[in-house]
Amino acid sequence: AQSVAQPEDQVNVAEGNPLTVKCTYSVSGNPYLFWYVQYPNRGLQFLLKYITGDNLVKGSYGFEAEFNKSQTSFHLKKPSALVSDSALYFCAVRAANTGGFKTIFGAGTRLFVKA
Amino acid sequence: DAGVIQSPRHEVTEMGQEVTLRCKPISGHNSLFWYRQTMMRGLELLIYFNNNVPIDDSGMPEDRFSAKMPNASFSTLKIQPSEPRDSAVYFCASTEQGFLNSPLHFGNGTRLTVT
Repeated sequence: AQSVAQPEDQVNVAEGNPLTVKCTYSVSGNPYLFWYVQYPNRGLQFLLKYITGDNLVKGSYGFEAEFNKSQTSFHLKKPSALVSDSALYFCAVRAANTGGFKTIFGAGTRLFVKA
Repeated sequence: DAGVIQSPRHEVTEMGQEVTLRCKPISGHNSLFWYRQTMMRGLELLIYFNNNVPIDDSGMPEDRFSAKMPNASFSTLKIQPSEPRDSAVYFCASTEQGFLNSPLHFGNGTRLTVT
């Protein structure tokens, strides 16, 4: 069965410091991994994805994520956090299922960036 | 691109009443998903459609929930009768069918409160 784990409910970081939001996954076959961000009273927005190739994936708003196959991880990173990055972040894995593709989301990690 | 459109944005109803949530996916997207988000359970996949056909409804909580997609541009999620525990934010998302690397595009959700 496919699953996604985000071990931290909340991550606190000071503005200007680097940030990491952790994600590990379990999936049979090749993983298709995604990060989404959710701002208050809004739907989830796509940030970036890993399909194949380079293990470091770059996405929107200066975010990047590092795929590590041996550790089955896909951590979200940003070199310098902004207060406006404060939001709820979801890691997701897409997997083939009978008749279609399901997207399974982690529980979410709330990022709080302090000025 | 108007994005995924959901209506209403907010719905307050009394226990026992019928509730209908509506979704218009992005034009050209063949897959449509209904998710429910609560603090306790996070983001749960309720049902998804490919080419207007329900593929997996294993996430639908019980028979009180039903979903339809009569055409490529419209879907409904109905709860009858509604109960207080159905209170949540309901999201609709769409994507291109057949591509594991296609991200989901979410609407802004319907916040349902059942009193």
